[in-house]
Amino acid sequence: EVQLVESGGGLVQPGGSLRLSCSASGFTFSSYAMHWVRQAPGKGLEYVSAITSNGGSTYYADSVKGRFTISRDNSKNTLYLQMSSLRAEDTAVYYCVKRFFEGSGWFPPALWGQGTLVTVSS
Amino acid sequence: QSVLTQPPSVSAAPGQKVTISCSGSSSNIGNNYVSWYQHLPGTAPKLLIYDSNKRPSGIPDRFSGSKSGTSATLGITGLQTGDEADYYCGTWDSSLSAGFWVFGGGTKLTVL
Repeated sequence: EVQLVESGGGLVQPGGSLRLSCSASGFTFSSYAMHWVRQAPGKGLEYVSAITSNGGSTYYADSVKGRFTISRDNSKNTLYLQMSSLRAEDTAVYYCVKRFFEGSGWFPPALWGQGTLVTVSS
Repeated sequence: QSVLTQPPSVSAAPGQKVTISCSGSSSNIGNNYVSWYQHLPGTAPKLLIYDSNKRPSGIPDRFSGSKSGTSATLGITGLQTGDEADYYCGTWDSSLSAGFWVFGGGTKLTVL
């Protein structure tokens, strides 16, 4: 069974840092681009970041550029999101998402994890 | 303000049909495939439609997608109470101002 399990969320003060992890199983992780998408309380989905299957290319939304870093360890089947200089507006459930198609390319995001809640508050 | 525009809410009775629209522009829907997602509260969002009109395996044919020009539509027939959820469209936007992958603002479906 294909599965994505996020972890690392929690309460952090403004200006602080947090690293999210997404453990993948049930598929060849190294063959798929991966994404992070978030949903703030009471709001819609917001695309955050993406990384190609080999980690060679990355993308960041303007709202997180320069503060968040996406990475992956294909030997550990794990996706990461390093978040720093966190702001109250970063408070959200963060979802790890697997691309639908195998191989090169980015889209579309397809299989979602259950998400991990990040709360930025003093 | 989302790049893709969806109605905030739609409603219909059990067994009926409902459509949810997603309006964009030439930099997104007009020249790219559209995906649709179902999000029940407290659960992981689920891909319903990709490439504008294709269903992943396991998605019932009650769900359908179409695209015309700069708009896309999700159709759901034979509505069930379990279909009550938020629905989002998504696509790639090639304009620098919008970014990369964009979502609509979401539509809440109520099955009366």
